[in-house]
Amino acid sequence: DAKTTQPPSMDCAEGRAANLPCNHSTISGNEYVYWYRQIHSQGPQYIIHGLKNNETNEMASLIITEDRKSSTLILPHATLRDTAVYYCIVRVEAGNQFYFGTGTSLTVIP
Amino acid sequence: AAGVIQSPRHLIKEKRETATLKCYPIPRHDTVYWYQQGPGQDPQFLISFYEKMQSDKGSIPDRFSAQQFSDYHSELNMSSLELGDSALYFCASSSRVQNTEAFFGQGTRLTVV
Repeated sequence: DAKTTQPPSMDCAEGRAANLPCNHSTISGNEYVYWYRQIHSQGPQYIIHGLKNNETNEMASLIITEDRKSSTLILPHATLRDTAVYYCIVRVEAGNQFYFGTGTSLTVIP
Repeated sequence: AAGVIQSPRHLIKEKRETATLKCYPIPRHDTVYWYQQGPGQDPQFLISFYEKMQSDKGSIPDRFSAQQFSDYHSELNMSSLELGDSALYFCASSSRVQNTEAFFGQGTRLTVV
């Protein structure tokens, strides 16, 4: 089952950085941190994942603490279209299952 | 790029009927996952298949079954439908060989009346 905890909701001003935290204190050495988002009942969309190093792609940055017990997803310049539920998931890479937690509902405010 | 295709997109069934949902994974993906998302809830993992064999099982009711065929498409069969089965059903696919993340389809909205 889900091994992550996230705040239920957050607001962010449009154009500002959105920092979404996630706790995964029981993460195993071979488990990665994945982030997905779901916009209004659409299929979840992959954002980024990492093992222990910080990662960046065209959508976001992922900062993982040195002890790997928590991470932060950063959307550098939030837009209204980033309003969604963001899920932090721990998963063995290319594993056979992964579990969604309760996610963070991010609202970007004009 | 090809995405995960699910059909039908919407389905209305009566109680005690059966339903079959189909999922066509991204080409060359070897793993398929099924999820159920009830109203206002988070996606719940049901079952997954790797190379046409069931690989993991989540909270899938006994009334449901699934399989992955030789062409890698998958079907979720639901029998004796109940009102509580009304939900969005998502399929996702990934490639273990290529070590890709999982990509989701747009889902099938099942309504049981």
